[in-house]
Amino acid sequence: GNSVTQMEGPVTLSEEAFLTINCTYTATGYPSLFWYVQYPGEGLQLLLKATKADDKGSNKGFEATYRKETTSFHLEKGSVQVSDSAVYFCALSEDGTASKLTFGTGTRLQVTL
Amino acid sequence: GAVVSQHPSRVICKSGTSVKIECRSLDFQATTMFWYRQFPKQSLMLMATSNEGSKATYEQGVEKDKFLINHASLTLSTLTVTSAHPEDSSFYICSARVVGGLATYNEQFFGPGTRLTVL
Repeated sequence: GNSVTQMEGPVTLSEEAFLTINCTYTATGYPSLFWYVQYPGEGLQLLLKATKADDKGSNKGFEATYRKETTSFHLEKGSVQVSDSAVYFCALSEDGTASKLTFGTGTRLQVTL
Repeated sequence: GAVVSQHPSRVICKSGTSVKIECRSLDFQATTMFWYRQFPKQSLMLMATSNEGSKATYEQGVEKDKFLINHASLTLSTLTVTSAHPEDSSFYICSARVVGGLATYNEQFFGPGTRLTVL
């Protein structure tokens, strides 16, 4: 079956540091890949997505590239802010419409001044 | 973006009682709603998918008689945990989806979750 593996958190960084959150997946076929973010007290929000190999999703300074050869979709940001503190979830779906999502365990990011 | 609300945000109940959790799409009509369960430090696990006006589709291993789902309108779905026991204590999250002509609508919008504690 499908599965998503994320690095365990929490990840603690100073403001303006470089962020990488690793995500690898196992899937049959050609899944779409997603990153969701959950701020305290709120629901998950779609951060970015990629639907085919070598696609790069980007939003709010975050980027992730769909790497089929390494089955990875690592999340990166060049300079994090305190406001980026949240839990980040990597997910996949077997089609492009997010009809059935398989999630990773989530990685908590804490950014300090 | 589209907003999904859940009520209540937290609930504590005694073992053997039933608890109802509501999920509402506030500014759009949801053709499909999903219910997830999340254990501490674990990923969200899909419990069931419901389409407005039809029976929910449950994932393998989820007891449909225990977790009753009703999707009576395009803006409301309810999850009722019947005869709750301590092992049902968890974080329950709903999401809603619109299938539309624009690709941006082909995503799930999530509620903030409901923390259920069964004593």
